Amino acid sequence: NAGVTQTPKFQVLKTGQSMTLQCAQDMNHEYMSWYRQDPGMGLRLIHYSVGAGITDQGEVPNGYNVSRSTTEDFPLRLLSAAPSQTSVYFCASSYLGRGGKETQYFGPGTRLLVL
Amino acid sequence: AQSVTQLDSHVSVSEGTPVLLRCNYSSSYSPSLFWYVQHPNKGLQLLLKYTSAATLVKGINGFEAEFKKSETSFHLTKPSAHMSDAAEYFCVVRANFGNEKLTFGTGTRLTIIP
Repeated sequence: NAGVTQTPKFQVLKTGQSMTLQCAQDMNHEYMSWYRQDPGMGLRLIHYSVGAGITDQGEVPNGYNVSRSTTEDFPLRLLSAAPSQTSVYFCASSYLGRGGKETQYFGPGTRLLVL
Repeated sequence: AQSVTQLDSHVSVSEGTPVLLRCNYSSSYSPSLFWYVQHPNKGLQLLLKYTSAATLVKGINGFEAEFKKSETSFHLTKPSAHMSDAAEYFCVVRANFGNEKLTFGTGTRLTIIP
């Protein structure tokens, strides 16, 4: 298994540009999520999904869109990038159904710089 | 609602001495608790997890943590620090009910002094 994969590893954008961060997992996990990591703030949940066609907002959803058309993929879209979105983005996935006991597996991260 | 407080943003220990990273949590429901480690410019790796079975949990690389409900704590320990333990450590709580979201602490940076 490749686990959780993310592309690209690093991206530079100009303010106002759009882009999609890709996330894929090959473990047939129902639950997928996106986090951003900023210095001194730990990881904060942006959006999550409990299955294909089902998404919901996390703690910091503004400026981001998601969709989940398949079990494997969970892309994160920035429609109009802002410097405040400079961060490291992590995708994670896990099984559901054991009352929160399932381990979430994290991708390697995408480092985004918005100028 | 749930939250996690990591009591130290930075801990320094000498190689070969014990490590203690402190974590307190709050949760409206019986929680699952995790410790993740992040080495520089790397992703997050699970060290160990508590899921309402044994209160003393053993993880990888000699780490362990004890769940103390009365103190709402889940401190991470290791008897003898190694240089390779230098990293950022995150305490995480996940509700055992509902949408099962993770809530992260702000992290503790562990430095090992040779």
